[in-house]
Amino acid sequence: EAQVTQNPRYLITVTGKKLTVTCSQNMNHEYMSWYRQDPGLGLRQIYYSMNVEVTDKGDVPEGYKVSRKEKRNFPLILESPSPNQTSLYFCASSVIGSNQPQHFGDGTRLSIL
Amino acid sequence: AQSVTQLDSHVSVSEGTPVLLRCNYSSSYSPSLFWYVQHPNKGLQLLLKYTSAATLVKGINGFEAEFKKSETSFHLTKPSAHMSDAAEYFCVVTLMTTDSWGKLQFGAGTQVVVTP
Repeated sequence: EAQVTQNPRYLITVTGKKLTVTCSQNMNHEYMSWYRQDPGLGLRQIYYSMNVEVTDKGDVPEGYKVSRKEKRNFPLILESPSPNQTSLYFCASSVIGSNQPQHFGDGTRLSIL
Repeated sequence: AQSVTQLDSHVSVSEGTPVLLRCNYSSSYSPSLFWYVQHPNKGLQLLLKYTSAATLVKGINGFEAEFKKSETSFHLTKPSAHMSDAAEYFCVVTLMTTDSWGKLQFGAGTQVVVTP
């Protein structure tokens, strides 16, 4: 089954404790992306990647890192999480192209205390 | 600059009546436009996309959207709402300018409530 898998689905942690949210897709997609969803703001793009070793900033990259060492994986790293990064996070992937739809994971709810 | 505006944050309809979700965009070129639906505790699912082949686009679950360039709109409609349509809906535009190729911009979302 074609899918985008995020882990963990839920995480409560404390300020400053490094964490990684993993994202994996099994569709051989070149394009992968991370979003955060906050009430009233819709989804905002954090980082995206066009292919292995090619990443770029989205609209809200501050406080986040990503890497793309393999095509299927695109982890999101919070080196020193802060409470304002409490949010619902989504990973997505797609074929490259302006009219290609994104395939979304089920989301990761992060709470930073 | 490109942007997406969903004109209603909440829409309440009765089961069996039409649904209209409004989306306006601004873009200096012909955009790629999408509608996604998000059910509680789930990721986003594609409803339909505009690819410039036809201005009236049919999607899943009886939804359709009409691209109107003169009005810069891409409104989503369904003739008869079902209880399972209760969800949040997002209008999305893909940015394809030189310095933002691959970026997606989401509207703020419209929460749809369906009453029996």
